[in-house]
Amino acid sequence: TGVTQSPTHLIKTRGQQVTLSCSPISGHRSVSWYQQTPGQGLQFLFEYFSETQRNKGNFPGRFSGRQFSNSRSEMNVSTLELGDSALYLCASSPFAGGNTGELFFGEGSRLTVL
Amino acid sequence: GEDVEQSLFLSVREGDSSVINCTYTDSSSTYLYWYKQEPGAGLQLLTYIFSNMDMKQDQRLTVLLNKKDKHLSLRIADTQTGDSAIYFCAEKGAGTALIFGKGTTLSVSS
Repeated sequence: TGVTQSPTHLIKTRGQQVTLSCSPISGHRSVSWYQQTPGQGLQFLFEYFSETQRNKGNFPGRFSGRQFSNSRSEMNVSTLELGDSALYLCASSPFAGGNTGELFFGEGSRLTVL
Repeated sequence: GEDVEQSLFLSVREGDSSVINCTYTDSSSTYLYWYKQEPGAGLQLLTYIFSNMDMKQDQRLTVLLNKKDKHLSLRIADTQTGDSAIYFCAEKGAGTALIFGKGTTLSVSS
């Protein structure tokens, strides 16, 4: 099976918080998160490998994540703003840094903030 | 800084060749990639090229890399309607993250 993300769609209101989940391909230990918006395109949020955050993009502290011992990952956004409306994509890779950089993407969680 | 630029739209007729262009700025990039995104789906890796290569061919896909000009292109031969999608160029620099362009929407008409 591929990378699975949940929920696929959700609607929140400003000020709320949200948690998104990602299950990587079996055997993959690296999980990365990207935010996709029409205006900014795809922007890197963070990467986790073996439960450790290895790299973080230029996002405010309201965006956080974690990885569990089974490599599943969650990301959390607190105090939601309208601008957080986006498609959040999770990608997995067998190696930290993706070795050749090949990432396997899930279909994303589409967040709408009202 | 790192930045990847690509044209936003390309329209071709079925059976023609499509060429999608991309420029990048990080000369230390080790790998460069082309990803495809179909409506409502995540990104799918089409192909990648190592920075010491000039060209890579994979069936209908040809990737050309000009390191001097920091220019990458993807040629799709015999373009089909099923090739309609958004194509993203991406580079991998010294860090672990991929830097993506904003995507080129390819529209194929029959």
